[in-house]
Amino acid sequence: GAVVSQHPSRVICKSGTSVKIECRSLDFQATTMFWYRQFPKKSLMLMATSNEGSKATYEQGVEKDKFLINHASLTLSTLTVTSAHPEDSSFYICSASQDSNYGYTFGSGTRLTVV
Amino acid sequence: AQSVTQLDSHVSVSEGTPVLLRCNYSSSYSPSLFWYVQHPNKGLQLLLKYTSAATLVKGINGFEAEFKKSETSFHLTKPSAHMSDAAEYFCVVTFNDYKLSFGAGTTVTVRA
Repeated sequence: GAVVSQHPSRVICKSGTSVKIECRSLDFQATTMFWYRQFPKKSLMLMATSNEGSKATYEQGVEKDKFLINHASLTLSTLTVTSAHPEDSSFYICSASQDSNYGYTFGSGTRLTVV
Repeated sequence: AQSVTQLDSHVSVSEGTPVLLRCNYSSSYSPSLFWYVQHPNKGLQLLLKYTSAATLVKGINGFEAEFKKSETSFHLTKPSAHMSDAAEYFCVVTFNDYKLSFGAGTTVTVRA
């Protein structure tokens, strides 16, 4: 079946630094990738939708300069949290879609802790 | 606008007894519906999906769900709960724009 690899699974960084999270579709080409943020004991909040080769579409309230998304190829999307602050600490999850008929495959998530 | 409501934030069952997780959606169009499971600090795993084929959908690990258009529901069931079913469950809806709308989630605990 479709597999999405997300790396790293856990990262701790200092305030003010930037962190990059990678999301790779291992056995299919993902025309669309999604980035979600999940707060403790909460549902997933869609942050942005990225399509290969074009700019990401951000949801209302999500700072595009804070959360940089790049979808350079059909198998890789990256989320960079720039100038991270403790309030950015969260669980970030990506998902990839080949097309809607195939469904959506989720990565295993990244636990970001900013100290 | 699309939305999905999970009617129970927490469900507790005894091992070996049935599990019922309730989900209702609102829609102006024919939706695609999914159930995902999430174990602590893990990503989401697809249990099953409905995409306008058979209304009774069978998924993995003994789960199934029935799409009822008249009730705008997509409840998830399993005849006999196992300890490994303890997790967070999300009902999800989309209307062909690739964006998924998540329910608030239902936490399932299984008592020995």
